[in-house]
This record gives sequence, C-alpha cells and structure tokens, in this order.
Amino acid sequence: DGGITQSPKYLFRKEGQNVTLSCEQNLNHDAMYWYRQDPGQGLRLIYYSQIVNDFQKGDIAEGYSVSREKKESFPLTVTSAQKNPTAFYLCASSSLQEEQFFGPGTRLTVL
Amino acid sequence: QKEVEQNSGPLSVPEGAIASLNCTYSDRGSQSFFWYRQYSGKSPELIMSIYSNGDKEDGRFTAQLNKASQYVSLLIRDSQPSDSATYLCAVNLGTGGGNKLTFGTGTQLKVEL
Repeated sequence: DGGITQSPKYLFRKEGQNVTLSCEQNLNHDAMYWYRQDPGQGLRLIYYSQIVNDFQKGDIAEGYSVSREKKESFPLTVTSAQKNPTAFYLCASSSLQEEQFFGPGTRLTVL
Repeated sequence: QKEVEQNSGPLSVPEGAIASLNCTYSDRGSQSFFWYRQYSGKSPELIMSIYSNGDKEDGRFTAQLNKASQYVSLLIRDSQPSDSATYLCAVNLGTGGGNKLTFGTGTQLKVEL
C-alpha cells in the first residue's frame, strides 16, 4: 500500500521544548517537502530535499531543522526558537519536476 | 503583489451548476500549475495539473491555462455537495530551486442543494 505517512496526527508542545514530526514515503520519490498551514492561509514551504543528505531552506525555515539520511524519511524538528509553532504541518513528496502528493498532516499545538 | 492570488470566497453555486475558480500568478517564467482540493481538517489532494496553454479535461474537471495573461482556472461541471471544499492553486514559479511550489490562499467552494 503505497503512500505518505505522518506521525503523530496530533502533537502538543510545551514552551521551550523541541519536538520532531515524522514523515515517511514508500513511493520511491526523490524529493520531499515540509509545509506549514495556518488558518485561512495557504501553504508555506519550510524545507525541501531533492536528494539524500541534501536539503534547502524554504520561505520560513527559521526555528525549524530537518535531516534526510534515507530516501524514504524526512523528519522535521520544531525547535524552541520557533516562536509561534501552532499550525498544521504537511509533508509532501514528488518525483523530480512532477506533481507533489501530501501526507495526512500533523496538527501541532503549543500548550 | 502576492505571487499567487485567489479570491478567498466563499463561492456559492447550486447543485448541478458549473463552478469557476480563478488564479493569477506573478512570474511569466512559470511552467507548472496545479489544483488541489482540501476538505476541512484534511490534507490537500491533487486533482489537476496543467503545463501548456489551453484546456485540460478530466471527468467533471477542466483546467484552463493562459500564460500570456498569467491566469489559470478550474471549472467543475455538474457541481455536487461533495465538491464543497477549499481549492488551492499552486504554481512552480520557475525562479530556480527545483520543484518548489507557491500556493495561493485558496478559494472556498460551497455547493448548495
């Protein structure tokens, strides 16, 4: 059953805490992406990776970090430096230069 | 000026009517255009992609692209209540950096019985 999985579905973070969101795909896609969506807004790109062991900052990378040690996995860490992390986080993947497909998302709330 | 612009709506159409959703973009070098449907609380689902000028049809959906006017639209024929969702326009703005997409803020569509 091919697709993109994200975990957890819901995540709660205390002030000053780092949290890591998981994203895994078994579509054999080279590229993976992380977006953030706030209510009433479109998606904004946080980080993306086109190849293992390489990634680039998107439009809103401050306060976030990523790694791409395996083709299938692209975890996102929301650090304590991100001052307003409450949002819906979406992971996507694609073959290079082709359509992006999204996982089900993780909803992060700061307590 | 926003790079990808959509009317936020809501756009209300009666069941069975044609819904017309519009999107404009800023970069003339853009090559790839996508429409995603997003139900409330869910992730976006790709419904159409278009790369060249003209119309592309897939079932009840038609995407229209006019690069000279920097305009892309989505028509939904025989609208159904299940089409009620937010529709996101996404554009590969062609400003470098691989397959980066820029999204509009979405148009909320309501199909009324």
